[in-house]
Amino acid sequence: AQSVTQPDIHITVSEGASLELRCNYSYGATPYLFWYVQSPGQGLQLLLKYFSGDTLVQGIKGFEAEFKRSQSSFNLRKPSVHWSDAAEYFCAVVAPSGTYKYIFGTGTRLKVLA
Amino acid sequence: GAGVSQSPSNKVTEKGKDVELRCDPISGHTALYWYRQSLGQGLEFLIYFQGNSAPDKSGLPSDRFSAERTGGSVSTLTIQRTQQEDSAVYLCASSTLGADSETQYFGPGTRLLVL
Repeated sequence: AQSVTQPDIHITVSEGASLELRCNYSYGATPYLFWYVQSPGQGLQLLLKYFSGDTLVQGIKGFEAEFKRSQSSFNLRKPSVHWSDAAEYFCAVVAPSGTYKYIFGTGTRLKVLA
Repeated sequence: GAGVSQSPSNKVTEKGKDVELRCDPISGHTALYWYRQSLGQGLEFLIYFQGNSAPDKSGLPSDRFSAERTGGSVSTLTIQRTQQEDSAVYLCASSTLGADSETQYFGPGTRLLVL
């Protein structure tokens, strides 16, 4: 079955520390991959996406993610976290063709300590 | 331009009542999606509209849920005879055709509480 796993439900980091949020997927073929962020009471904002090519992708707000086909992973990273990064982060995958129904992970809630 | 908008932002209703949730996609976007975000279930796909094609309703959880899209733009998600388990955030997203068609842009959601 197609699925996305975000193994960490909650993560707490200190401001200025580095961050890595994990995402693993199970899919028949290499899907398109996305990271979204949801601040409290807000919708989902796209951070970055991977379709093909360079496996290290840069996004907004200083985030990057690396696609590793051998590990079926698409982990999100940021070298130095800011207090405003506190939010919930969702990894999503979609088939490279068709109706583009996203399959989401269950999300990782990030808390940032001052 | 403006992003995806949804109304109302919050809705409280009594069990058994019908509710209508509205989505205005980004102008020019031909594809429109509804998702439900609930505790314990995460984000679930509900329904997809693309142009004049028949919608993909494969994610609707029961026949109490329906959606329509008028004039290829605004969409309304209707939940009849609401149940407490329908309490969730309902998110709408839209996307364009061609380049970037795989990227969905989300609205702020409607928070539905069924008492």
